[in-house]
Amino acid sequence: GQQVMQIPQYQHVQEGEDFTTYCNSSTTLSNIQWYKQRPGGHPVFLIQLVKSGEVKKQKRLTFQFGEAKKNSSLHITATQTTDVGTYFCAARHTNAGKSTFGDGTTLTVKP
Amino acid sequence: EAQVTQNPRYLITVTGKKLTVTCSQNMNHEYMSWYRQDPGLGLRQIYYSMNVEVTDKGDVPEGYKVSRKEKRNFPLILESPSPNQTSLYFCASSLSWQGSQPQHFGDGTRLSIL
Repeated sequence: GQQVMQIPQYQHVQEGEDFTTYCNSSTTLSNIQWYKQRPGGHPVFLIQLVKSGEVKKQKRLTFQFGEAKKNSSLHITATQTTDVGTYFCAARHTNAGKSTFGDGTTLTVKP
Repeated sequence: EAQVTQNPRYLITVTGKKLTVTCSQNMNHEYMSWYRQDPGLGLRQIYYSMNVEVTDKGDVPEGYKVSRKEKRNFPLILESPSPNQTSLYFCASSLSWQGSQPQHFGDGTRLSIL
């Protein structure tokens, strides 16, 4: 079945440093979604990428979808303490209801 | 307020005692899904439903049952819970089963099976 690998599993940064998490699929994806889960909370949808090579920005967050649509990344510029949490990528299967999440990257930010 | 509601939020029970975790959404969403979250393993899909009376297995369906008799409700049933089902469970819904729709998650249910 479809697998989505996400690295790193953990990332500890000093406030103000940048952060990147990567998501890689064994198959070509029709789209990829990113979610954020705050400690003790539930996953919250951030964004969806659909097109090959697509880049989207949300303030300090930059999302990219690879040219081959097999990988994606989330980059946070100048992290803040409010960025702490676990970031997940997710692939939804186009011809069925299955949904596959990466294992997540947990970000901690030291003030 | 648009939301996905799960109950109970916390439950400690014993092996073999049947339990049901309820999930309800008020957004008229077609698609609903159950996930379990374990440390280091991310979110793994248990079952999903593309519409009323249409359900299918996710990646880890063993030991679970679901039903979708109404559009708004999607209960998760553990007929004979075992300790390896101790986990954090999330219900989610989206407008349709098509992959372009974002999922909205409930607050989670933490189950402990002793």
